[in-house]
Amino acid sequence: AQTVTQSQPEMSVQEAETVTLSCTYDTSESDYYLFWYKQPPSRQMILVIRQEAYKQQNATENRFSVNFQKAAKSFSLKISDSQLGDAAMYFCAYRSYNNNDMRFGAGTRLTVKP
Amino acid sequence: GAGVSQSPRYKVAKRGQDVALRCDPISGHVSLFWYQQALGQGPEFLTYFQNEAQLDKSGLPSDRFFAERPEGSVSTLKIQRTQQEDSAVYLCASSNQLAAFVFGPGTRLTVL
Repeated sequence: AQTVTQSQPEMSVQEAETVTLSCTYDTSESDYYLFWYKQPPSRQMILVIRQEAYKQQNATENRFSVNFQKAAKSFSLKISDSQLGDAAMYFCAYRSYNNNDMRFGAGTRLTVKP
Repeated sequence: GAGVSQSPRYKVAKRGQDVALRCDPISGHVSLFWYQQALGQGPEFLTYFQNEAQLDKSGLPSDRFFAERPEGSVSTLKIQRTQQEDSAVYLCASSNQLAAFVFGPGTRLTVL
């Protein structure tokens, strides 16, 4: 079974600075998807960014980018120019091509300091 | 609809009561998932539907949990004889095939 590990329960960043959230995963599959989801205090999970494992190029969405290291099974999220609205729980998630469910890490709580 | 909706948003039940949680997925999304999220934890998979077929229910914690999606759209998660350990947020998500999940706002269940 696939497992997703987020080793940072909490992180903080100064407004306008850059922060990186870590995620590692364990799988024997070669084809899969990776995701970062954001969950603000309202609890609605929102997709931040996604990465297909077959793509070598790291995904980017505005201020959000990933560092995908397939051999190392690492998938970190970089948030540039952090804003107060970025404060939330961030979950790393894995979904294989074959199985339909998505596996989540335990989450990282990000605090943004003004 | 524009997004996944869930009702009720909050439910308080006395221990031993039965509860039913509803999920309205995005129109046209064939896949529907239920997750349980305990406080401070990541979502844990419960069950998965493709259209009306329940293809995986391996995450349901006990036989008190039952889910259905009879017409392939709206789904209901039923918990019988609720226990305190059932207190959690129950998240519903839908997706098209291999796309990312779209989550609903969740139902927060508190069992007294």
